[in-house]
Amino acid sequence: DVKVTQSSRYLVKRTGEKVFLECVQDMDHENMFWYRQDPGLGLRLIYFSYDVKMKEKGDIPEGYSVSREKKERFSLILESASTNQTSMYLCASSLFPRPRTDTQYFGPGTRLTVL
Amino acid sequence: KQEVTQIPAALSVPEGENLVLNCSFTDSAIYNLQWFRQDPGKGLTSLLLIQSSQREQTSGRLNASLDKSSGRSTLYIAASQPGDSATYLCAVTSNTGKLIFGQGTTLQVKP
Repeated sequence: DVKVTQSSRYLVKRTGEKVFLECVQDMDHENMFWYRQDPGLGLRLIYFSYDVKMKEKGDIPEGYSVSREKKERFSLILESASTNQTSMYLCASSLFPRPRTDTQYFGPGTRLTVL
Repeated sequence: KQEVTQIPAALSVPEGENLVLNCSFTDSAIYNLQWFRQDPGKGLTSLLLIQSSQREQTSGRLNASLDKSSGRSTLYIAASQPGDSATYLCAVTSNTGKLIFGQGTTLQVKP
């Protein structure tokens, strides 16, 4: 079974802090994704990566950056956390390189609260 | 711009009922359509994936159909159980390879 893990289930940070959310997948997947999920807005894509050291902006990249130094690990970085970044963050991975697509496998999510 | 809509937003049924969840999308140029399940406070679990060339997929008590030309998909759940209570999300993979989600239908199955 594919396993996608996220470093924290719950995280509380202060405004202005630098925040790192880590995601690791154990199935040698090519693609990794970061989403945020908010009531009434659904899931929105922040960033994705189709290869090591490669990243592409999703629909809402402002205020975020990412890092993919190794194939299995994809990090989401909030350079200076703000209260409007309080959300559930979900990481996902999938196998096939673009433009083919396959099921995305999701991690359990990190509930981030910015005070 | 692709938009995905799910109706209804919430549904409550007694145990044992068969039910249908609806999903519509505005752009028929999709690679595939997926149905996910999300339990409260948890991540998403993929239930069924229908490729754009397929009409339906089945897994156990679940059956998903796809009519690409009309931009519609349905998820049929047979003989519903309390354990089926969750939020069900529909998502299409666009021609750019991105998943675009609907806002989900929250299902409650009462014993």
